[in-house]
Amino acid sequence: NAGVTQTPKFQVLKTGQSMTLQCAQDMNHNSMYWYRQDPGMGLRLIYYSASEGTTDKGEVPNGYNVSRLNKREFSLRLESAAPSQTSVYFCASNMRQTLFGYTFGSGTRLTVV
Amino acid sequence: KNQVEQSPQSLIILEGKNCTLQCNYTVSPFSNLRWYKQDTGRGPVSLTIMTFSENTKSNGRYTATLDADTKQSSLHITASQLSDSASYICVVTVSGAGSYQLTFGKGTKLSVIP
Repeated sequence: NAGVTQTPKFQVLKTGQSMTLQCAQDMNHNSMYWYRQDPGMGLRLIYYSASEGTTDKGEVPNGYNVSRLNKREFSLRLESAAPSQTSVYFCASNMRQTLFGYTFGSGTRLTVV
Repeated sequence: KNQVEQSPQSLIILEGKNCTLQCNYTVSPFSNLRWYKQDTGRGPVSLTIMTFSENTKSNGRYTATLDADTKQSSLHITASQLSDSASYICVVTVSGAGSYQLTFGKGTKLSVIP
Protein backbone atom coordinates (compact mmCIF):
# COMPACT_ATOMS: atom_id res chain seq x y z
CA ASN A 1 0.00 0.00 0.00
CA ALA A 2 2.35 2.72 -1.29
CA GLY A 3 -0.19 5.57 -1.38
CA VAL A 4 1.46 8.62 -2.95
CA THR A 5 5.07 8.22 -4.08
CA GLN A 6 7.29 11.18 -4.88
CA THR A 7 10.69 11.15 -6.50
CA PRO A 8 13.33 12.29 -5.89
CA LYS A 9 13.39 12.88 -2.12
CA PHE A 10 16.19 15.42 -2.31
CA GLN A 11 17.59 17.54 -5.14
CA VAL A 12 20.08 20.36 -5.50
CA LEU A 13 19.90 22.48 -8.65
CA LYS A 14 21.89 25.37 -9.97
CA THR A 15 20.01 28.52 -10.93
CA GLY A 16 18.67 28.13 -14.46
CA GLN A 17 18.64 24.35 -14.50
CA SER A 18 15.46 22.44 -15.17
CA MET A 19 14.01 19.36 -13.55
CA THR A 20 10.82 17.38 -13.17
CA LEU A 21 9.37 16.17 -9.89
CA GLN A 22 7.48 12.94 -10.24
CA CYS A 23 4.37 11.86 -8.36
CA ALA A 24 2.37 8.66 -8.60
CA GLN A 25 -0.60 7.35 -6.62
CA ASP A 26 -2.01 3.85 -6.53
CA MET A 27 -5.36 4.56 -4.84
CA ASN A 28 -7.37 5.21 -8.02
CA HIS A 29 -7.86 8.82 -6.95
CA ASN A 30 -9.27 11.27 -9.45
CA SER A 31 -7.69 14.50 -8.17
CA MET A 32 -4.03 15.29 -7.67
CA TYR A 33 -2.22 18.36 -6.35
CA TRP A 34 1.18 19.96 -6.01
CA TYR A 35 1.96 22.10 -2.95
CA ARG A 36 5.05 23.86 -1.70
CA GLN A 37 5.87 24.33 1.97
CA ASP A 38 8.17 27.11 3.10
CA PRO A 39 9.36 27.89 6.64
CA GLY A 40 6.82 29.94 8.59
CA MET A 41 4.14 29.56 5.93
CA GLY A 42 1.24 27.24 5.33
CA LEU A 43 1.22 24.89 2.38
CA ARG A 44 0.45 26.72 -0.84
CA LEU A 45 -1.14 25.18 -3.91
CA ILE A 46 0.91 25.37 -7.08
CA TYR A 47 -1.20 23.40 -9.55
CA TYR A 48 -3.90 20.80 -9.37
CA SER A 49 -5.63 18.30 -11.59
CA ALA A 50 -9.26 17.71 -10.69
CA SER A 51 -9.44 14.73 -13.02
CA GLU A 52 -7.41 13.01 -15.69
CA GLY A 53 -6.92 15.34 -18.64
CA THR A 54 -7.40 18.59 -16.74
CA THR A 55 -4.98 20.88 -14.93
CA ASP A 56 -5.49 24.25 -13.28
CA LYS A 57 -3.37 26.90 -11.62
CA GLY A 58 -3.32 27.25 -7.90
CA GLU A 59 -2.16 30.07 -5.69
CA VAL A 60 1.52 30.18 -6.78
CA PRO A 61 1.89 28.74 -10.32
CA ASN A 62 4.55 31.07 -11.72
CA GLY A 63 7.73 29.28 -12.77
CA TYR A 64 6.09 25.85 -12.85
CA ASN A 65 4.35 23.59 -15.33
CA VAL A 66 2.51 20.35 -14.77
CA SER A 67 1.46 17.28 -16.70
CA ARG A 68 -1.24 14.82 -15.74
CA LEU A 69 0.30 11.91 -17.62
CA ASN A 70 -2.49 9.47 -16.75
CA LYS A 71 -4.78 8.85 -13.80
CA ARG A 72 -1.89 7.71 -11.62
CA GLU A 73 0.83 10.23 -12.41
CA PHE A 74 1.13 13.99 -12.03
CA SER A 75 4.48 15.67 -12.64
CA LEU A 76 5.74 19.15 -11.77
CA ARG A 77 8.37 20.79 -13.95
CA LEU A 78 10.68 23.69 -13.18
CA GLU A 79 11.92 25.01 -16.53
CA SER A 80 14.49 27.46 -15.17
CA ALA A 81 15.02 27.04 -11.45
CA ALA A 82 15.42 30.11 -9.23
CA PRO A 83 16.58 30.35 -5.61
CA SER A 84 13.02 31.44 -4.68
CA GLN A 85 11.91 27.95 -5.63
CA THR A 86 13.93 26.41 -2.83
CA SER A 87 11.25 24.64 -0.86
CA VAL A 88 9.74 21.31 0.12
CA TYR A 89 7.29 20.09 -2.49
CA PHE A 90 4.39 17.82 -1.66
CA CYS A 91 2.16 15.92 -4.00
CA ALA A 92 -1.30 14.93 -2.78
CA SER A 93 -4.32 13.12 -4.11
CA ASN A 94 -7.93 12.44 -3.20
CA MET A 95 -10.94 10.70 -4.64
CA ARG A 96 -12.88 13.81 -5.56
CA GLN A 97 -11.93 17.40 -5.29
CA THR A 98 -11.75 18.39 -1.68
CA LEU A 99 -14.74 16.74 -0.04
CA PHE A 100 -12.57 13.78 0.82
CA GLY A 101 -9.37 13.62 2.82
CA TYR A 102 -6.11 14.15 1.04
CA THR A 103 -3.24 11.66 1.01
CA PHE A 104 0.13 13.35 0.85
CA GLY A 105 3.45 12.06 -0.38
CA SER A 106 6.55 12.31 1.79
CA GLY A 107 7.88 15.34 -0.07
CA THR A 108 10.80 16.45 -2.23
CA ARG A 109 13.27 18.81 -0.62
CA LEU A 110 14.61 21.07 -3.39
CA THR A 111 17.48 23.50 -3.00
CA VAL A 112 18.35 25.94 -5.78
CA VAL A 113 21.79 27.52 -5.45
CA LYS B 1 -8.95 37.48 2.51
CA ASN B 2 -9.30 33.86 3.65
CA GLN B 3 -7.04 33.21 6.60
CA VAL B 4 -6.36 30.43 9.06
CA GLU B 5 -4.54 31.39 12.25
CA GLN B 6 -3.13 28.79 14.63
CA SER B 7 -1.92 29.18 18.18
CA PRO B 8 0.37 28.67 19.85
CA GLN B 9 3.15 28.65 17.28
CA SER B 10 5.01 26.05 19.33
CA LEU B 11 4.38 24.12 22.50
CA ILE B 12 6.44 21.89 24.78
CA ILE B 13 4.67 19.49 27.14
CA LEU B 14 5.63 16.59 29.36
CA GLU B 15 4.78 13.08 28.30
CA GLY B 16 1.42 12.02 29.68
CA LYS B 17 0.01 15.54 29.87
CA ASN B 18 -2.91 16.88 27.84
CA CYS B 19 -2.81 19.87 25.52
CA THR B 20 -5.10 21.91 23.31
CA LEU B 21 -4.21 23.57 20.03
CA GLN B 22 -6.28 26.40 18.60
CA CYS B 23 -7.37 27.36 15.11
CA ASN B 24 -9.28 30.50 14.12
CA TYR B 25 -10.40 31.10 10.58
CA THR B 26 -11.93 33.87 8.52
CA VAL B 27 -12.83 31.67 5.58
CA SER B 28 -16.12 32.07 3.76
CA PRO B 29 -18.10 30.21 2.56
CA PHE B 30 -17.00 27.41 4.83
CA SER B 31 -17.16 23.80 3.66
CA ASN B 32 -15.14 21.74 6.11
CA LEU B 33 -12.22 21.87 8.52
CA ARG B 34 -9.44 19.33 8.83
CA TRP B 35 -6.60 18.72 11.23
CA TYR B 36 -3.41 17.14 9.93
CA LYS B 37 -0.35 15.80 11.74
CA GLN B 38 2.99 16.30 10.04
CA ASP B 39 6.02 14.48 11.36
CA THR B 40 9.41 16.02 10.58
CA GLY B 41 10.45 15.18 7.03
CA ARG B 42 7.10 13.62 6.17
CA GLY B 43 3.91 14.65 4.46
CA PRO B 44 0.80 15.66 6.45
CA VAL B 45 -1.48 12.86 7.60
CA SER B 46 -5.19 13.45 8.19
CA LEU B 47 -6.47 13.25 11.77
CA THR B 48 -10.03 14.52 11.49
CA ILE B 49 -12.37 16.26 9.10
CA MET B 50 -15.50 18.13 10.22
CA THR B 51 -18.32 19.70 8.29
CA PHE B 52 -20.42 22.67 9.28
CA SER B 53 -22.89 20.61 11.30
CA GLU B 54 -20.35 18.66 13.36
CA ASN B 55 -19.20 19.97 16.74
CA THR B 56 -16.85 17.23 17.85
CA LYS B 57 -14.93 14.41 16.24
CA SER B 58 -12.49 12.01 17.84
CA ASN B 59 -9.68 9.87 16.51
CA GLY B 60 -8.15 7.90 19.34
CA ARG B 61 -6.48 10.34 21.73
CA TYR B 62 -7.19 13.26 19.38
CA THR B 63 -10.46 15.18 19.74
CA ALA B 64 -11.32 18.07 17.47
CA THR B 65 -14.06 20.59 18.16
CA LEU B 66 -15.64 23.10 15.84
CA ASP B 67 -17.68 26.20 16.59
CA ALA B 68 -18.86 27.45 13.20
CA ASP B 69 -20.50 30.52 14.77
CA THR B 70 -17.26 31.86 16.23
CA LYS B 71 -15.14 30.27 13.47
CA GLN B 72 -12.93 28.48 15.94
CA SER B 73 -11.64 24.94 16.18
CA SER B 74 -9.47 23.18 18.69
CA LEU B 75 -7.52 19.95 18.73
CA HIS B 76 -7.21 18.30 22.14
CA ILE B 77 -4.56 15.64 22.68
CA THR B 78 -5.03 13.39 25.69
CA ALA B 79 -2.28 11.58 27.57
CA SER B 80 0.43 12.75 25.18
CA GLN B 81 3.10 10.39 23.93
CA LEU B 82 6.57 11.06 22.57
CA SER B 83 5.27 10.07 19.14
CA ASP B 84 2.85 13.01 19.24
CA SER B 85 5.82 15.34 18.65
CA ALA B 86 4.99 16.87 15.27
CA SER B 87 3.45 19.89 13.60
CA TYR B 88 -0.33 20.06 13.64
CA ILE B 89 -1.93 21.86 10.74
CA CYS B 90 -5.46 23.25 10.56
CA VAL B 91 -6.92 23.37 7.06
CA VAL B 92 -10.18 25.02 6.08
CA THR B 93 -11.99 24.40 2.81
CA VAL B 94 -13.73 27.21 1.00
CA SER B 95 -16.42 26.22 -1.45
CA GLY B 96 -18.15 28.15 -4.15
CA ALA B 97 -19.24 28.03 -7.78
CA GLY B 98 -18.53 24.32 -7.98
CA SER B 99 -14.91 24.63 -6.97
CA TYR B 100 -13.06 24.23 -3.71
CA GLN B 101 -9.98 25.80 -2.23
CA LEU B 102 -7.98 24.75 0.81
CA THR B 103 -6.45 27.35 3.12
CA PHE B 104 -3.68 26.01 5.35
CA GLY B 105 -2.64 27.35 8.71
CA LYS B 106 1.07 27.64 9.50
CA GLY B 107 0.85 24.89 12.05
CA THR B 108 1.63 24.41 15.73
CA LYS B 109 4.86 22.60 16.48
CA LEU B 110 4.35 20.29 19.44
CA SER B 111 7.25 18.78 21.33
CA VAL B 112 6.52 16.07 23.89
CA ILE B 113 9.42 15.50 26.26
CA PRO B 114 10.03 12.66 28.75
